[in-house]
Amino acid sequence: AQKITQTQPGMFVQEKEAVTLDCTYDTSDQSYGLFWYKQPSSGEMIFLIYQGSYDEQNATEGRYSLNFQKARKSANLVISASQLGDSAMYFCAMREPSSGTYKYIFGTGTRLKVLA
Amino acid sequence: EAQVTQNPRYLITVTGKKLTVTCSQNMNHEYMSWYRQDPGLGLRQIYYSMNVEVTDKGDVPEGYKVSRKEKRNFPLILESPSPNQTSLYFCASSLAGYNEQFFGPGTRLTVL
Repeated sequence: AQKITQTQPGMFVQEKEAVTLDCTYDTSDQSYGLFWYKQPSSGEMIFLIYQGSYDEQNATEGRYSLNFQKARKSANLVISASQLGDSAMYFCAMREPSSGTYKYIFGTGTRLKVLA
Repeated sequence: EAQVTQNPRYLITVTGKKLTVTCSQNMNHEYMSWYRQDPGLGLRQIYYSMNVEVTDKGDVPEGYKVSRKEKRNFPLILESPSPNQTSLYFCASSLAGYNEQFFGPGTRLTVL
């Protein structure tokens, strides 16, 4: 069955440093989409970045980049130059495209704390 | 303002008392979905809808019903709530085939 694994329940990073949040996935589909969302302490869910399984380039959005290693089935989020406002819960997710449906699976999340 | 709204934001109820959580979006999105978030479990998809009158089960549909009679609305119905449905619920929407889901602010439900 399709699955998303985030093995880091919590992480600390010093302000202005880069940090990598791990995400591995399991799917037998060839076509799928991978996402990262941010959930600050206020509770809202914020879309950060998307990677399609056929995209050859790693996705980037400002300070966020997705390190996509298809053979290893990993989709790690890299945040460069961390800011205090990056302290939040981060979720990796996958969209299952099989049969034309759009089911989503989320990981259990990684709580990131940025230290001043 | 483009948004997904949910009501109520907070609800405390008792076991067995039917309730409905409303979800509405003003972006003309085809795709809408409900999730529940529980500590240590992340978000789990309950139901989703590809368009009006088209709904399908997610990973945890037991105990929930949905309907999609209008494009903008996707209510979540708990016919007979139980304490294990105490959770934080999110509604989300997106254009069909697009990548970004827009989430509502969440509804915190407590079932006593």
